[in-house]
Amino acid sequence: QQPVQSPQAVILREGEDAVINCSSSKALYSVHWYRQKHGEAPVFLMILLKGGEQKGHEKISASFNEKKQQSSLYLTASQLSYSGTYFCGTPQVGAGSYQLTFGKGTKLSVIP
Amino acid sequence: DSGVTQTPKHLITATGQRVTLRCSPRSGDLSVYWYQQSLDQGLQFLIQYYNGEERAKGNILERFSAQQFPDLHSELNLSSLELGDSALYFCASSVALPPRGTGELFFGEGSRLTVL
Repeated sequence: QQPVQSPQAVILREGEDAVINCSSSKALYSVHWYRQKHGEAPVFLMILLKGGEQKGHEKISASFNEKKQQSSLYLTASQLSYSGTYFCGTPQVGAGSYQLTFGKGTKLSVIP
Repeated sequence: DSGVTQTPKHLITATGQRVTLRCSPRSGDLSVYWYQQSLDQGLQFLIQYYNGEERAKGNILERFSAQQFPDLHSELNLSSLELGDSALYFCASSVALPPRGTGELFFGEGSRLTVL
């Protein structure tokens, strides 16, 4: 089941903040966040492993609410380098199997 | 540089043809994953291999097949190509699966396939 991300796109001026949400209809045990810059490969940002745990990467942090089956990515004081498409991923783990299903992505554009 | 190598970077072919995409994972990574990225669909999981064995399958068409060789490199074969198969195909690898590892994926630069 593909997680649902919102918004689909957002435009920010440098220094502004943004929140990207990711929700799932299935129980979540962890959530991954990746960023893909235009023409490049996706790059891992962080993983949230426990309910309510917050992780950080630069000025990007995230939260994970197991009960609500959702995660949010917080970008504060955005920089031009934050532009790109952000994907959340939810894993299905089996015996030796690992399937990370990504949302459709949120395109973030930071302008001067 | 993630350490994952994919070839070719670009490929243009005609409908009905067959192509092979190749991926070399990071040194020491046993798991290889294939994803398809088209404009409207985001990153679609195709298949996962772990140490030569198929372990998870996503929305992979029957016309597509993959394998992982003893040296851990992987190939994705796409046959009877259609216009809709045009996409960016990513390979990713990971060093360890949960719970031993986080399952962080390292993506290659991708192979862009254009079917005319």
